[in-house]
Amino acid sequence: GQQLNQSPQSMFIQEGEDVSMNCTSSSIFNTWLWYKQDPGEGPVLLIALYKAGELTSNGRLTAQFGITRKDSFLNISASIPSDVGIYFCVSGTASKLTFGTGTRLQVTL
Amino acid sequence: DTGVSQDPRHKITKRGQNVTFRCDPISEHNRLYWYRQTLGQGPEFLTYFQNEAQLEKSRLLSDRFSAERPKGSFSTLEIQRTEQGDSAMYLCASSYRPIRSGTDTQYFGPGTRLTVL
Repeated sequence: GQQLNQSPQSMFIQEGEDVSMNCTSSSIFNTWLWYKQDPGEGPVLLIALYKAGELTSNGRLTAQFGITRKDSFLNISASIPSDVGIYFCVSGTASKLTFGTGTRLQVTL
Repeated sequence: DTGVSQDPRHKITKRGQNVTFRCDPISEHNRLYWYRQTLGQGPEFLTYFQNEAQLEKSRLLSDRFSAERPKGSFSTLEIQRTEQGDSAMYLCASSYRPIRSGTDTQYFGPGTRLTVL
């Protein structure tokens, strides 16, 4: 089945640093979504991308939909402690989402 | 609070017992989804409804699982004869899918964490 591979799997960064993570797939997708999940909570939508090449920002977050439609990246600028969590890239059909393997982010003071 | 709500948030049960979870979607959303998430993994799709019709079920949804959305609003997920392997977070999501749109955005609830002893 479809698989979305995220890298890195986990990262420790210091507060104030910029963060970059990416997601690749062997399949072409028409939508890329980035969700964040805090421990014991459901995923929360951060950014949605609908067009190849699209670059979208949401505050300190910026995400891009790769030109090949097989990848996406997410950047977080000037990280803060509340950025801690697991970040999932997500894609699939309109009715069924497929979640990536996740990138666990930990921010140290 | 106008988000997706789930009840209960936590459930501990003994193997062999039946459990039922409830999801209340965002009120104007016509689609409702169930996912299962095990520790260290991303959520996996189980099933979804458009209004009251169940349109797709994953192979993960064994015969012991049944989901309903009788009036096109809230939904229930029942697991019969629970097994230890059913221990997971069960997540509900909802979305609004316009008739002539190819995309919709799913909003997730906080989940129900099930522990089967």
